[in-house]
Amino acid sequence: SSELTQDPAVSVALGQTVRITCQGDSLRSYYASWYQQKPGQAPVLVIYGKNNRPSGIPDRFSGSSSGNTASLTITGAQAEDEADYYCNSRDSSGNPLFGGGTKLTVL
Amino acid sequence: QVQLQESGPGLVKPSGTLSLTCAVSGGSISSSNWWSWIRQPPGKGLEWIGEIYHSGSTNYNPSLKSRVTISVDKSKNQFSLKLSSVTAADTAVYYCASKVVISHYYYYMDVWGKGTTVTVSS
Repeated sequence: SSELTQDPAVSVALGQTVRITCQGDSLRSYYASWYQQKPGQAPVLVIYGKNNRPSGIPDRFSGSSSGNTASLTITGAQAEDEADYYCNSRDSSGNPLFGGGTKLTVL
Repeated sequence: QVQLQESGPGLVKPSGTLSLTCAVSGGSISSSNWWSWIRQPPGKGLEWIGEIYHSGSTNYNPSLKSRVTISVDKSKNQFSLKLSSVTAADTAVYYCASKVVISHYYYYMDVWGKGTTVTVSS
């Protein structure tokens, strides 16, 4: 399969931990990267590689992977984390491929 | 830090050609990065369109390949997108982004432009 599957929506209580997942066959071989997108803004890289954060991304964001599933975990979610989150990896041809996105609501 | 800025017409007529440019500042387009175009239709997710290396090598989304051309102008430190035979389905926010390739198994898009809205309508 050349798809990356994400849950359309996830919610988390303020201060709690949430895991956003991304499933796809390519994830068995390739690392995922994760992007946060707030309304009306461009996506921002939050996690790349095994578990790397760009400068300026809070350490409450972390990444992991097992089998065909990559995960983005937010430990102690804040109100400002409410956003859409997209995973990215490769398709069967080696081209970039985005997941469908997960809308995170912080309650 | 590299910055990217998209520019181009915000309105394109059906069957026409969409043309956008991404200006690269704070860095050289001749670096080891690939340069990508991504779009997002209203209310929908991100779709990778294609990418180019400073040498002129390109990769395109198979679903758009017959209509897409991406080119690079090293003298102006910019790259461009042309999408032909557009329809309303091509209405979207178009982003340019730089792609850092660490290895065959590992890449990421570290810098994105702010995006430009293109509407296809008569």
